[in-house]
Amino acid sequence: DQQVKQNSPSLSVQEGRISILNCDYTNSMFDYFLWYKKYPAEGPTFLISISSIKDKNEDGRFTVFLNKSAKHLSLHIVPSQPGDSAVYFCAASGNTNAGKSTFGDGTTLTVKP
Amino acid sequence: DGGITQSPKYLFRKEGQNVTLSCEQNLNHDAMYWYRQDPGQGLRLIYYSQIVNDFQKGDIAEGYSVSREKKESFPLTVTSAQKNPTAFYLCASTGLAGYNEQFFGPGTRLTVL
Repeated sequence: DQQVKQNSPSLSVQEGRISILNCDYTNSMFDYFLWYKKYPAEGPTFLISISSIKDKNEDGRFTVFLNKSAKHLSLHIVPSQPGDSAVYFCAASGNTNAGKSTFGDGTTLTVKP
Repeated sequence: DGGITQSPKYLFRKEGQNVTLSCEQNLNHDAMYWYRQDPGQGLRLIYYSQIVNDFQKGDIAEGYSVSREKKESFPLTVTSAQKNPTAFYLCASTGLAGYNEQFFGPGTRLTVL
């Protein structure tokens, strides 16, 4: 049973437009959510996170929204740039497993110039 | 510079041989993790360790073994019992206190011939 799902394997957007990446989770014990960015043949790098006590967190061009009732979060990138082209992983963790996260399968974002 | 190193970047082994992947961190992090990534899939947790001389199985521990004799080091051995060992292996670490993002190494691509 996959507890963190990213239902869109890929997303293509035009440079300058908004990219919206979605993530759903099933475990109500998750209370901390993270997004990572990954280039081919490299390790993921942390992008942005959100605690369940918030519904929005913003960092420059990146904003994460959390809808706890729907068990859904999304990452907005505005404006999208070609350098944003990468695989984006959603991850979730809970207070019962310090630091351990459950990852989604990732969404490949392609930003076209 | 603080970070996580994994060596080697590429590794080739014959079927039936055990192989050990190195992971070292100088971030003074307590927790360390090993993940496996297959094409089109997310990160699946193999083993993790929250403290020296202690480690726990992740979701796909069969055919793997680890040790945590030093805080800085968390080597992973892929044994001959692992039925499909060819994959991209990622090591990560995080501070134990609170909810922290994981820092990843560059990964090791293991190919079993």
